Amino acid sequence: EVQLLESGGGLVQPGGSLRLSCAASGFNFNNYAMSWVRQAPGKGLEWVSTINYSGSNTYYRDSVKGRFTISRDNSKNTLYLQMNSLRAEDTAVYYCAKELETCCYFDYWGQGTLVTVSS
Amino acid sequence: EIVLTQSPATLSLSPGERATLSCRASQGVGSYLAWYQQRPGQAPRLLMYAASNRATGIPARFSGSGSGTDFTLTISSLEPEDFAVYYCQQRSDWPRTFGQGTKLEIK
Repeated sequence: EVQLLESGGGLVQPGGSLRLSCAASGFNFNNYAMSWVRQAPGKGLEWVSTINYSGSNTYYRDSVKGRFTISRDNSKNTLYLQMNSLRAEDTAVYYCAKELETCCYFDYWGQGTLVTVSS
Repeated sequence: EIVLTQSPATLSLSPGERATLSCRASQGVGSYLAWYQQRPGQAPRLLMYAASNRATGIPARFSGSGSGTDFTLTISSLEPEDFAVYYCQQRSDWPRTFGQGTKLEIK
């Protein structure tokens, strides 16, 4: 059974940093691209970042470029999102999502971790 | 950025009725479109990908169609568990984008 378990969320002041983790199990982690998708309170879904299976290619939405870094450790079956210079508009539930083998659709999601940026 | 516009924003129907949800893209995305269901307090669930392919474990009452800029998700006969929010998503170009969602509520 595929499982994705996010951790690392919490309350942080504007300008602060957080590192999210996503522990994966139940599938061959190093064969699949992985992504982070967020959802602000009461709002819709917003793609944040994607990393390919090996970690050699990464993609970001413009609003987080230069502030967020996606990475993975295939030896630990873990996905990360390092978030720096956080802003109030980054407040959201952050979901880790596995991509389909055929690319670019999200077939499994974690339960999410809440990041709140507030003073 | 490709903008996806979903309609209607809210759809009020009764169990057993047929639901038709629409997603329109600001530019052509081929067949590179997915649909997700999100129930309150839960993570999204993939329903359809590549416009018309059901994801693993999705009941046959769900179907998808369309290509280019206009797409439809149809639920042939609504079950109580189908009342949720539905999102479309394109993978034709970066950034990946989602529609704003259609809330399917019980009439």
